[in-house]
Amino acid sequence: EVQLVESGGALVQPGRSLRLSCAASGFTFHNYVMHWVRQAPGKGLEWVSGISWNSGSIGYADSVKGRFTISRDNAKNCLYLQMNSLREEDTALYYCVKALLVVREVIGFFDYWGQGTLVTVSS
Amino acid sequence: DIQMTQSPSTLSASVGDRVTITCRASQSISSYLAWYQQKPGKAPNLLIYKTSSLENGVPSRFSGSGSGTEFTLTISSLQSDDFATYYCQQYNSYSLTFGGGTKVEIK
Repeated sequence: EVQLVESGGALVQPGRSLRLSCAASGFTFHNYVMHWVRQAPGKGLEWVSGISWNSGSIGYADSVKGRFTISRDNAKNCLYLQMNSLREEDTALYYCVKALLVVREVIGFFDYWGQGTLVTVSS
Repeated sequence: DIQMTQSPSTLSASVGDRVTITCRASQSISSYLAWYQQKPGKAPNLLIYKTSSLENGVPSRFSGSGSGTEFTLTISSLQSDDFATYYCQQYNSYSLTFGGGTKVEIK
């Protein structure tokens, strides 16, 4: 059974940093592109970032480019999101997501989602 | 970035109704469109990919069609388990983008 378990969400002040983690199991982690997708309270879905199996291809949404860094450790079956210079508009539930197929680089769609970890940015 | 516009934003329907949701892209995305269902407090669930391919385990009452810039998700006979919010997502190019969602409510 595929499991994606996020952790690291917290209440933080604007301008501070936070690191999210996602522990993956039930599939061959190093074979798949992985992503972070977020959902602000009561709002829709927003893609944040994706990373290829070997970290050779990475993509970011414009809203987080230069502030967030995605990474993975295939030996530990873990995905990470380092979030710096956090803003109030980054407040959201952050989902760790597995890509089923990609068209190229990390561009694809998603078949498994974690339950999310909540990041609240507020003073 | 490609903008994805869903309509309607809310839809009221009864069990047994045929339901159609539309998703329009601001430019052509070929057939690279997926649909997800999300229930309150839960993560999204993949229904359809590449416009019309049904994900394993998804009931056959769900179907998708379209190409280029206009796409539809159809539920042939709405069941009580289908009341949820539905999102389209393009994966033709960066940034990956979702529609704003369509909430299917009980009439």
